[in-house]
Order: sequence, then C-alpha cells, then structure tokens
Amino acid sequence: DTGVSQNPRHKITKRGQNVTFRCDPISEHNRLYWYRQTLGQGPEFLTYFQNEAQLEKSRLLSDRFSAERPKGSFSTLEIQRTEQGDSAMYLCASSPPGYSYNEQFFGPGTRLTVL
Amino acid sequence: AQSVSQHNHHVILSEAASLELGCNYSYGGTVNLFWYVQYPGQHLQLLLKYFSGDPLVKGIKGFEAEFIKSKFSFNLRKPSVQWSDTAEYFCAVSPDDKIIFGKGTRLHILP
Repeated sequence: DTGVSQNPRHKITKRGQNVTFRCDPISEHNRLYWYRQTLGQGPEFLTYFQNEAQLEKSRLLSDRFSAERPKGSFSTLEIQRTEQGDSAMYLCASSPPGYSYNEQFFGPGTRLTVL
Repeated sequence: AQSVSQHNHHVILSEAASLELGCNYSYGGTVNLFWYVQYPGQHLQLLLKYFSGDPLVKGIKGFEAEFIKSKFSFNLRKPSVQWSDTAEYFCAVSPDDKIIFGKGTRLHILP
C-alpha cells in the first residue's frame, strides 16, 4: 500500500499520560499536515510541514502538543499530559510538490481516547 | 475568519433519486475548492476539486460540482444516487496551504 499510513490506529490512555502518534506520508510528498476531527465536525487543521520545516501552527495546538518531521519524511505528533478533551481522531495528510500542492491525501487516522 | 457551511447535516434518499448538497464558504480572495468523501470504515478521499477554469467540475463516481463565485457556493450534485454512495461528504476550501472543512453531511441511501 503506497498511501499515507498512521500508527497506531487506536490509542487509549489515562488522563495525564503522554502519547505519540506517527505518520508516514506518500513517498516524495514534501508537505505533511496534521488535522484533528471530533464527533460531528469536519477535520480541523493543526499544523503542517514542508520537508522538515514546520511552517504553520493553528491556535488549536496548545503548548502540550508538539509535532516534528526531523528528516523530512515521517512525522510524529506528541501530546503531553493528555486531557479528556484531547479525545479525537488525529488525521495526517500529505501532498506532492508542484501547482497542485494543496490536494491532500489522507491517512486512516489515529483514534485517541483519553479516560 | 474563513469558514465553510454545509446546509444539511443528514440527508436520506432512495436509490435513483437526484442529489444536491449545498456548500457556501466565506473568503474574499482566490480559493481552491474540494469535496471529500468518507465511506464507512474508510479514510477521507478526494471526490473532486476546483482550482480554476470551467466552474463545472466532474469527479469520480458520477459526481459533479458547480462553483458560483458570486454566491460563494460550491454545491455537489449527482443525478441518480446509488446505495454505495452512503457516506459522509465534506466540502472544503483552501485559501492557502491548509484546508478548511465544513462539518460534513451524512448521506444515507435507502435500497
């Protein structure tokens, strides 16, 4: 499968714990995005990278959230001291270079449940 | 702030009925427009997109959408739906590098 992959697919954690999610974009896609989707809502933008540079962060991304893309390939999203309000589906997307750069290809998501 | 408004949260149709899902966006500049679909148990996938040119765009599975700039609208249509079109549909706008999604419309097709 050459699509965007995300791991784990599901994560259950207790409030206060730290969690880390991984996203592997489509090969040669230089842009990588993170979104969060809660029940009854569309995906909401969190942050994005062009190669290894983090170019924009949403105000939704509190200080407890950090994202990295150290070598311009896979990315990780870490949430520290999780809260129940962090329960959501975390989506990763990637897009290729060129004029159609904002056509984004989505992964299956990581569903986080904070107890 | 930019936003996307989808008119219907939940639509139920019988097979062979015609479909139109409304979408309006608020942004005064040049935007790229999308409809994404999420079938049950699957991830988001692109249904169709508008970047420039002909405002009537055709997508996969017989879907089409019309961009009406004066109305800030990008409605999705299909002349005859099938049971397999049961899914959640998201209208989205991209004024810059990120995508702003609407809340989605759940479409149920009755066999």
